[in-house]
Amino acid sequence: SQTIHQWPATLVQPVGSPLSLECTVEGTSNPNLYWYRQAAGRGLQLLFYSVGIGQISSEVPQNLSASRPQDRQFILSSKKLLLSDSGFYLCAWTGRNNQPQHFGDGTRLSIL
Amino acid sequence: GQQLNQSPQSMFIQEGEDVSMNCTSSSIFNTWLWYKQDPGEGPVLLIALYKAGELTSNGRLTAQFGITRKDSFLNISASIPSDVGIYFCAGLPYSGAGSYQLTFGKGTKLSVIP
Repeated sequence: SQTIHQWPATLVQPVGSPLSLECTVEGTSNPNLYWYRQAAGRGLQLLFYSVGIGQISSEVPQNLSASRPQDRQFILSSKKLLLSDSGFYLCAWTGRNNQPQHFGDGTRLSIL
Repeated sequence: GQQLNQSPQSMFIQEGEDVSMNCTSSSIFNTWLWYKQDPGEGPVLLIALYKAGELTSNGRLTAQFGITRKDSFLNISASIPSDVGIYFCAGLPYSGAGSYQLTFGKGTKLSVIP
């Protein structure tokens, strides 16, 4: 069966520091991959999605970037974090046949 | 872009009561999904609906895909304390954009009083 892993589960970073969050999917090939941010436990905001290796689409211009170096790996990055980057970051995947998205357990990011 | 109006925003109910929440849209959706999110975790898929008029159950949960393709509802019968959480609806546009981007409602926060 398919599983999705995100790490770390929680992260506390100072303003101006870099960021790297990782998401991997097992048990499937060529998935669509997504990064969402959720503020205050409500509302999912789509940040990036990818339909294949090296293919990244950005939904919201901001301080973050995404990369997909391997088929089942999706990375969310920042060179310099802002206070407003705090939130709950969720990775999700879906197959190719109109299947629902399945989410990881999320990363709680706090910026100090 | 498309928006989903999910209501109510929050609910406080007594254990054992039934719950109903819904999502509406001004545009057509091809697929409706209902997720539940527990605190500190990712959303978990509850029910997926693929055809207009479809009524699907998952235990005490029942969801329907509206005939107009512009709405969906979720009912929970005989609520229990573990039903507490945030429930999200999500829709896949009728155009079926190749990236399978979902539009999410803002969630319904459910609190169950024992």
